[in-house]
Amino acid sequence: GAVVSQHPSWVICKSGTSVKIECRSLDFQATTMFWYRQFPKQSLMLMATSNEGSKATYEQGVEKDKFLINHASLTLSTLTVTSAHPEDSSFYICSAAHGTGELFFGEGSRLTVL
Amino acid sequence: GENVEQHPSTLSVQEGDSAVIKCTYSDSASNYFPWYKQELGKRPQLIIDIRSNVGEKKDQRIAVTLNKTAKHFSLHITETQPEDSAVYFCAAYSGGYQKVTFGIGTKLQVIP
Repeated sequence: GAVVSQHPSWVICKSGTSVKIECRSLDFQATTMFWYRQFPKQSLMLMATSNEGSKATYEQGVEKDKFLINHASLTLSTLTVTSAHPEDSSFYICSAAHGTGELFFGEGSRLTVL
Repeated sequence: GENVEQHPSTLSVQEGDSAVIKCTYSDSASNYFPWYKQELGKRPQLIIDIRSNVGEKKDQRIAVTLNKTAKHFSLHITETQPEDSAVYFCAAYSGGYQKVTFGIGTKLQVIP
């Protein structure tokens, strides 16, 4: 099946710094990508929908100035957690919508903010 | 918006028995219902999906049924094996790259 690569898999940062996570569709073009946050033993919570060439659509309660999303090309979307704090520590997962309608997920990025 | 309810939240079965996970959805416009398996620390993987024009779909030991009238769909795993142990998520969306709504997840444990 199609491949979505997410990088980095693990990141540890100091409180107050910013962290960028990349999501790439390796063998298909994705006009739409989704970013999720997953707390331990919980479901995937959609944070935002990323559309190539336009502004992302954020879900209610998600701070767009804190979680910056850029979808500059048909194969790359980035999530930047700005001024990270310990409560931002979580598992972040992206998915890309294939032309068939199927979603393919990245491997996930575990963020730990000290 | 769409609301997806999933149950049970945890399920333990003996190896070889069947497991059934049920989901309901609220938006009648939803027409695509995938099921994902997520092992600890890994990404969700699509295991089976069904579209609204089909009532049942089967792939070896896994089957999914859909009742559009009642707005519910179920995952059936037969002859369970220890490697089936994982968290399973149902989801619903109306396609066209609109957002997908996930169920809360079911932690399945298959006891050898």
